[in-house]
Amino acid sequence: KNEVEQSPQNLTAQEGEFITINCSYSVGISALHWLQQHPGGGIVSLFMLSSGKKKHGRLIATINIQEKHSSLHITASHPRDSAVYICAVSQIQVTSGTYKYIFGTGTRLKVLA
Amino acid sequence: DTGVSQNPRHKITKRGQNVTFRCDPISEHNRLYWYRQTLGQGPEFLTYFQNEAQLEKSRLLSDRFSAERPKGSFSTLEIQRTEQGDSAMYLCASSSFYEQYFGPGTRLTVT
Repeated sequence: KNEVEQSPQNLTAQEGEFITINCSYSVGISALHWLQQHPGGGIVSLFMLSSGKKKHGRLIATINIQEKHSSLHITASHPRDSAVYICAVSQIQVTSGTYKYIFGTGTRLKVLA
Repeated sequence: DTGVSQNPRHKITKRGQNVTFRCDPISEHNRLYWYRQTLGQGPEFLTYFQNEAQLEKSRLLSDRFSAERPKGSFSTLEIQRTEQGDSAMYLCASSSFYEQYFGPGTRLTVT
């Protein structure tokens, strides 16, 4: 079982729909990150969360530390939101001091006009 | 632009050849990471530098892979005797502490 699980793996929505992507993790974390990856490879950080909720424009991210679960919501979705959304958790490796990300496999979102 | 840059963006090579990729991190960042991403998967950790010291290497990093970060600035990732299984996107990221900033990646195709 992966340490970071995302659902759904693929999602197709109509423009304007409210979208939710879920992430569950099974390890101790320092923070949880939501990332966006467009075709061509570049990864952009959307949110870094250690508790509660954050909002940026039409994007909202929440985290429940006790349940080890996070959600990314997109309100009023638009075709330009089409991308892969990746959940990652970060943790400090005590032995090396490495601050490392562990990634989920991503959710491929396509928003149709 | 002062973000993370990677060169080349694309590399096609024949099996058995050596390839080298370069990553230029954000200048004030002392931490640098290499990841590998195959189609349909999330990135997988390869190695980590703090300044010029390579502090951690994944078991994914076989003896054919070597990474350096001379003087704690740019980093190179070399793959010797490439195999078709090495075909992937190689991502570099840098950070000063918690949040990592990613480069555009180098897509390697081994034919």
